Amino acid sequence: KNQVEQSPQSLIILEGKNCTLQCNYTVSPFSNLRWYKQDTGRGPVSLTIMTFSENTKSNGRYTATLDADTKQSSLHITASQLSDSASYICVVSDRGSTLGRLYFGRGTQLTVWP
Amino acid sequence: EADIYQTPRYLVIGTGKKITLECSQTMGHDKMYWYQQDPGMELHLIHYSYGVNSTEKGDLSSESTVSRIRTEHFPLTLESARPSHTSQYLCASSDRTVPSQFFGQGTRLTVV
Repeated sequence: KNQVEQSPQSLIILEGKNCTLQCNYTVSPFSNLRWYKQDTGRGPVSLTIMTFSENTKSNGRYTATLDADTKQSSLHITASQLSDSASYICVVSDRGSTLGRLYFGRGTQLTVWP
Repeated sequence: EADIYQTPRYLVIGTGKKITLECSQTMGHDKMYWYQQDPGMELHLIHYSYGVNSTEKGDLSSESTVSRIRTEHFPLTLESARPSHTSQYLCASSDRTVPSQFFGQGTRLTVV
């Protein structure tokens, strides 16, 4: 069964600290993996997207890694800011159909305290 | 910033009413999607469209219907709203040349 599991479910850190969010998936065949940031009550916004051949990608203070062999990804946030408080969603796409079906994790709810 | 818009942002409506959630994108994307998301839960695909006059049901069974008469417009309709329809509805679009989906701000629907 194709699944995307994220951990931790929720995380609280102090402003300025770093954190790492985890994503494990069983989706096969694999096309790409994306990390989205979703502010409360808003739609998700794409942070990074990685294909099979990529093992790291950065977007400002966000750095995503991908290990396609172990089917794991992580999102590292450096020097956290209050505005980083949001849900971070891992999404994996297969290449089994024209649609490129997406499998969503439940997200990690990050709270940054001052 | 992606140009995809949903209206209304919030809607509180009585049981049995007919409602239409609007979604429009100005990027010329051929693919559009509707997702349903409950608090703290993952997004579930309820409808998608490959292009004009093309609509398909998604993974999650939904009593809603959609139409795609124009490329930029993908409205979702509930003929008779029920409390079980209370949720957040997210519209997204994508293009075959860009693997990411762009999401709208969402519509928070509450049926009382």
